Amino acid sequence: GDSVTQMEGPVTLSEEAFLTINCTYTATGYPSLFWYVQYPGEGLQLLLKATKADDKGSNKGFEATYRKETTSFHLEKGSVQVSDSAVYFCALSDPPGDSSASKIIFGSGTRLSIRP
Amino acid sequence: DTAVSQTPKYLVTQMGNDKSIKCEQNLGHDTMYWYKQDSKKFLKIMFSYNNKELIINETVPNRFSPKSPDKAHLNLHINSLELGDSAVYFCASSLSGFLTGELFFGEGSRLTVL
Repeated sequence: GDSVTQMEGPVTLSEEAFLTINCTYTATGYPSLFWYVQYPGEGLQLLLKATKADDKGSNKGFEATYRKETTSFHLEKGSVQVSDSAVYFCALSDPPGDSSASKIIFGSGTRLSIRP
Repeated sequence: DTAVSQTPKYLVTQMGNDKSIKCEQNLGHDTMYWYKQDSKKFLKIMFSYNNKELIINETVPNRFSPKSPDKAHLNLHINSLELGDSAVYFCASSLSGFLTGELFFGEGSRLTVL
């Protein structure tokens, strides 16, 4: 079945460091890809998405490019801040013919901690 | 106004008890979900409802029974609670299934079974 694999955490960086969180996927169709973020004590919220190959999603300084050839959707940010500390989830949606029955499948999450 | 609200936020109970978690969304979405997040943050879908109709029912014990009285509400009832049911349960909603790909999550309900 479809699945998402992301790098295990925790990832600890100093403020202003460059961030990469790796994500690869396995899917039988042509999925849309997402990054969700979960701040402490909150629910997940969509950070960015890409719906087709070579699309780049971006938001709040974060970017990820849909790479079909490598089945990857790595999350990057040039200069992280303390406020970026959270758990990041890579996810995919592979809609079948009936979109109401499609699923979003999440990776296991990567905890990111930023030191001041 | 909170878009997706769940109650209670925390629930501590004994094994064997029955408990319910309620969820309401005011976004006008037609699809609602329950996800379970374990202690390692792994998130897995349990159920989804579209316009009060059950669409997705993953391999979940029969002790878990979702109920959707209308498309703005999706409640989760759990019978005969077990230690392994301890987790954070998230309600979410979306417009027209996953067409837009965006789920809106509630803040979660942390269930602890003693």
